[in-house]
Amino acid sequence: DIQMTQSPASLSASLGETVTIECLASEDIYSNLAWYQQKPGKSPQLLIYYANSLNDGVPSRFSGSGSGTQYSLKINSLQSEDVSIYFCQQNYDSPYTFGAGTKLELK
Amino acid sequence: QVQLKETGPDLVQLTQTLSITCTVSGFSLTTYNVHWVRQPPGKGLEWMGAMWNGGGTDYNSAFKSRLSISRDTSKSQVFLKMNSLQTDDTAKYFCARHTMGISFDYWGQGVMVTVSS
Repeated sequence: DIQMTQSPASLSASLGETVTIECLASEDIYSNLAWYQQKPGKSPQLLIYYANSLNDGVPSRFSGSGSGTQYSLKINSLQSEDVSIYFCQQNYDSPYTFGAGTKLELK
Repeated sequence: QVQLKETGPDLVQLTQTLSITCTVSGFSLTTYNVHWVRQPPGKGLEWMGAMWNGGGTDYNSAFKSRLSISRDTSKSQVFLKMNSLQTDDTAKYFCARHTMGISFDYWGQGVMVTVSS
């Protein structure tokens, strides 16, 4: 199985700040990487697919990058509504494993 | 519009079988794949398995032979069945639509299942 190592586990940042969350795959996943945002009590929402493609309706302050085994999600100009848990997921091979999540809070 | 909705029991007894139905609308099960993902309280997401648009299935080996996924295309429903439930199967169970090349673009609200002894 492909292991997804996500970091940091938690992150505290101020409004307007830029934050970066990283995901490391245990093998090359050829950009088959998605990022999801999950708010408390809600289902995950797709933010980014294929490493760097923004899903419809997602604000442009979210961006994804990476290739091979290393990927990152960047949030520019942090807003209060961005407080959530963020998960990465590889879609390259079954089982389609998720990272453990990053809890983003406001400082 | 695209919607998925899970229905199932709130409570299942230890060692019994869990059955959850995912009813979809706004798309066809013969065009899109549907996956099952679960999330124990306060923990991360675990991929369980998939119903492919062609009718095939794929399972996470972590569930060994406990898990079965099927569908009824005439009713736009996908079914999850898992037997021999243990307390660590307590989780919220989600179904999600999978668009190839895009990933899990729509999710149901989830159903919280507690396994009780």
